Amino acid sequence: DAKTTQPNSMESNEEEPVHLPCNHSTISGTDYIHWYRQLPSQGPEYVIHGLTSNVNNRMASLAIAEDRKSSTLILHRATLRDAAVYYCILRGPNSGGYQKVTFGTGTKLQVIP
Amino acid sequence: DAGVTQSPTHLIKTRGQQVTLRCSPKSGHDTVSWYQQALGQGPQFIFQYYEEEERQRGNFPDRFSGHQFPNYSSELNVNALLLGDSALYLCASSPETGADTGELFFGEGSRLTVL
Repeated sequence: DAKTTQPNSMESNEEEPVHLPCNHSTISGTDYIHWYRQLPSQGPEYVIHGLTSNVNNRMASLAIAEDRKSSTLILHRATLRDAAVYYCILRGPNSGGYQKVTFGTGTKLQVIP
Repeated sequence: DAGVTQSPTHLIKTRGQQVTLRCSPKSGHDTVSWYQQALGQGPQFIFQYYEEEERQRGNFPDRFSGHQFPNYSSELNVNALLLGDSALYLCASSPETGADTGELFFGEGSRLTVL
């Protein structure tokens, strides 16, 4: 199965932009890139997903490299509420199937007031 | 609109016992997945149910079994509990039409402690 690699932790100042990187060098052409986050004592929460093009929604932006071997989740203005563990996930036939979602250990984001 | 609800929120069992965890999916969702999350780790996929059948399974022993009811709610059963089964058990739902790429909605989990 294709795997993702993320830094264990990152820090950001409040109201600054945050760029969370993810490497997925073995991604296949049919794998979608998904991001979820998990706040303390809660279940994971969907953030964004994409296939090839950059994506924007009310929560964040997803920038996907042209070769799709890496992607970056962008939080435009970090707030204290964004402190969470962020998971980069691949979903597709070469990543265990669309139904199975494989989480890594994610990136723990700390937001400093 | 209620999201995914799970019960119980916390429970304590002893080794060798059996446990049943319950999940009600978000309204309109017919696909339910279960995950195990050990402390400090990411969630690990256990299995997924659709149309009352197990559709895909992760690397978990047969002690872990499940069921989906006609109303799409689901149960996770774990037999012969081990200390290593202590974890947060998460349920996620999605509409089948979006099952390949769409958003998963997670409940807040059931925290199981095995003594």
